[in-house]
Amino acid sequence: AQSVTQLDSHVSVSEGTPVLLRCNYSSSYSPSLFWYVQHPNKGLQLLLKYTSAATLVKGINGFEAEFKKSETSFHLTKPSAHMSDAAEYFCVVSRNPVIYNQGGKLIFGQGTELSVKP
Amino acid sequence: EAQVTQNPRYLITVTGKKLTVTCSQNMNHEYMSWYRQDPGLGLRQIYYSMNVEVTDKGDVPEGYKVSRKEKRNFPLILESPSPNQTSLYFCASSPRAVNSPLHFGNGTRLTVT
Repeated sequence: AQSVTQLDSHVSVSEGTPVLLRCNYSSSYSPSLFWYVQHPNKGLQLLLKYTSAATLVKGINGFEAEFKKSETSFHLTKPSAHMSDAAEYFCVVSRNPVIYNQGGKLIFGQGTELSVKP
Repeated sequence: EAQVTQNPRYLITVTGKKLTVTCSQNMNHEYMSWYRQDPGLGLRQIYYSMNVEVTDKGDVPEGYKVSRKEKRNFPLILESPSPNQTSLYFCASSPRAVNSPLHFGNGTRLTVT
């Protein structure tokens, strides 16, 4: 079975300092992984995705994530936080359609709320 | 502008009164899905549709119905709402079901009293 765990429900950083949002996944095969961001009163927006190409994935707004199969992790990082990065972030794993003979199954983590202090 | 449009944004209703939340996308996407978001639980999938006339249950389908008669529309129907369906609902679409990022609507906040 697949699952995804976001290790921190809240992360607080100061503006200009690095951001690290942690995500571990469980999957018996190579998954597709995504990070989404949700700003207040908005829908979710895709930050980046990993689909078995390069293990270091660059996304929008300076975010990147590294797929580490040995650690079953897909942590999201940013070198320098901006006030506008304050939002909730979701790590998502996609079920392999070849094995399950169907598509459309995304499993969301519980979310990490990022606060950025001036 | 490419978008997923949900209506209404806010809805307060009473137990047992049937309601429909509409969802429409203008991107010719095959795949559409409904999620509910509750604190501490992330997003959970209610129903999804891989194409017109094809729908399937997600993780939490009880108490909900959907239909996909046209490619662009995917309404969520609550035949007899109950207070435990108070939640924030999101509709999403993507070009295809596999490895394809979702485009989300802005959400519908439903309160059932």
